[in-house]
Amino acid sequence: QVQLVESGGGVVQPGRSLGLSCAASGFTFSSYGMHWVRQAPGKGLEWVATIRNDGSHKYHGDSVKDRFTISRDNSKNTLYLQMNSLRVEDTAIYYCTRGLPMAGDHWGQGTLVTVSS
Amino acid sequence: QSVLTQPPSASGTPGQRVTISCSGSSSNIGSNAVNWFQQLPGTAPKLLIYTNNQRPSGVPDRFSGSKSGTAASLAISGLQSDDEADYYCAAWDNGLNGWVFGGGTKLTVL
Repeated sequence: QVQLVESGGGVVQPGRSLGLSCAASGFTFSSYGMHWVRQAPGKGLEWVATIRNDGSHKYHGDSVKDRFTISRDNSKNTLYLQMNSLRVEDTAIYYCTRGLPMAGDHWGQGTLVTVSS
Repeated sequence: QSVLTQPPSASGTPGQRVTISCSGSSSNIGSNAVNWFQQLPGTAPKLLIYTNNQRPSGVPDRFSGSKSGTAASLAISGLQSDDEADYYCAAWDNGLNGWVFGGGTKLTVL
């Protein structure tokens, strides 16, 4: 069965960096684009970044552009999100989710990132 | 402020039919497929509807989606108490080159 497992969350000070991972299993990872979506406490869903199946194209939301970078290693079936220059407003649960043809058909359990001094 | 506009709340009694609207623009809903997600408290979102009106396997046919122009809607018939959740619409936006979500609608079953 399809599984997505995020890891790497934690408490970090403003301005510091953190890297998230999403380990995928149960499907041909290299055939799917992948997304990161976050949810701040008590708020709605916010798209963070998308990467195509072969890593050739990457897209980042305006609120994280130039600070966050999405990447993947298809040999390890793993999706990554490198987060630099973290801000208090980046505090959220970060989910990875599968792309087309049924975008969002599987989600991880999420990993909590708390940015606080 | 979300790119897609949803009502913040909706409600109904058991057995009723409720609809949740989602309004966008030509660069998102008007050009691309709409997906709907259900999120129960403390859990990850779950895909309810994809490509405007398709249900993944396992989603009851009480849930249906439709799209017309730059607007979409989710209908839930035969409302049940465990339908109480937050519902989000989403679509790719060609201008932003990203996935845009509605602000979410909190459904209460009275």
